[in-house]
Amino acid sequence: DADVTQTPRNRITKTGKRIMLECSQTKGHDRMYWYRQDPGLGLRLIYYSFDVKDINKGEISDGYSVSRQAQAKFSLSLESAIPNQTALYFCATGTGELFFGEGSRLTVL
Amino acid sequence: AQSVTQLDSHVSVSEGTPVLLRCNYSSSYSPSLFWYVQHPNKGLQLLLKYTSAATLVKGINGFEAEFKKSETSFHLTKPSAHMSDAAEYFCVVSGAGGYNKLIFGAGTRLAVHP
Repeated sequence: DADVTQTPRNRITKTGKRIMLECSQTKGHDRMYWYRQDPGLGLRLIYYSFDVKDINKGEISDGYSVSRQAQAKFSLSLESAIPNQTALYFCATGTGELFFGEGSRLTVL
Repeated sequence: AQSVTQLDSHVSVSEGTPVLLRCNYSSSYSPSLFWYVQHPNKGLQLLLKYTSAATLVKGINGFEAEFKKSETSFHLTKPSAHMSDAAEYFCVVSGAGGYNKLIFGAGTRLAVHP
């Protein structure tokens, strides 16, 4: 089994819909992250969490929210999806070395 | 503020020839630097990291990088490319928040031809 598992791997939705991307990890790390990848822009940090009670905004948090349900689970929500949120989303965990999931490709029509 | 610039968006080499992927960084203090690799439809995997120990860092799969403070560079090299090296490579610098604020370069896509 993968150390970091993301679901769904692919999702197509319409503008205005609520979307949740889920992430679970078996590495035992306290820190978890959500990144967004766009072509030519690298990865940009959306939110990060040190532990269940500590959640912090990254550089592009507008339009997104997160929930840390347990040490191993960190979900990302788009309350009302818009087309410019079409991207590849990565969950990661770790300190120093990050361990990434395989990504969730989201298309907003 | 910290930043990282990958000087080439695409690099193409022949199998068996050397690989050079260039990265320059900007940091107001001694940074930690990383190279990650992303194979198609996969997540990112750490290749190597520099954290103020030896300036020549060896990573997995025969890759290495040299930290040059005077040139603010952290170029990734490999003596002989293999077809399996075809992927996207990201240079990463730790930001002011330490490991919480990793700043990714835009990426370099490496193509390896037979």
